[in-house]
Amino acid sequence: QVQLQESGPGLVKPSQTLSLTCTVSGGSISSGDAFWSWIRQPPGKGLEWIGSIDYTATTDYNPSLKSRVAISVDTSKNQFSLKVTSVTAADTAVYYCARDPAIMNNEFDTRGSFDYWGQGTLVTVSS
Amino acid sequence: DIVLTQSPATLSLSPGERATLSCRASQSVGDYLAWYQQKPGQAPRLLIYDASKRATGIPARFSGSGSGTDFTLTISSLEPEDFGVFYCQQRNNWGLTFGGGTKVEVK
Repeated sequence: QVQLQESGPGLVKPSQTLSLTCTVSGGSISSGDAFWSWIRQPPGKGLEWIGSIDYTATTDYNPSLKSRVAISVDTSKNQFSLKVTSVTAADTAVYYCARDPAIMNNEFDTRGSFDYWGQGTLVTVSS
Repeated sequence: DIVLTQSPATLSLSPGERATLSCRASQSVGDYLAWYQQKPGQAPRLLIYDASKRATGIPARFSGSGSGTDFTLTISSLEPEDFGVFYCQQRNNWGLTFGGGTKVEVK
């Protein structure tokens, strides 16, 4: 059973950089059978995909956030990370990491759906 | 961006009743639509992917249908654990987008 756990500061000041890490257990990022993603949810609102990365560090980003976001991977630690620069109050949200599998139920080419999620971590942007 | 519009915003039903949730896309997403359930304080859970395929461990009372721009999630007979907010999400176009959600609440 794949498990994901987010970690990082819960409070970030405006204009600074938000940094989070997701640790994966029960599966290996290096297996190459999935991308690994960040998704966020402002309090009381809906979900927004931020971006995804695979073990080769190939990335996809939401075009609306691309200029401020960077996702990286550390296969030796089975972790991937998110950085969001120049944050404002609008970046206050619960941040989830999730698995985006390339294969589901023995079917190929299933990228773009999220089958395992972390519990989420609330990041508040405030001075 | 592809905009996904979910309706109704809220559905008030009793256990045992049938729930029908709708998701409409601003342009065709083929069959590339997923449904998630989210309960308060929890992460979303994948129910359906590619419009009609149940994810691992999802009960048969959950079914999905549709293609192109109009999709439906049906819960044939609501169990107490089925209440929460349901989101649709498309993977036809990168950036991936989610709908605004339908809340299924106890009547």
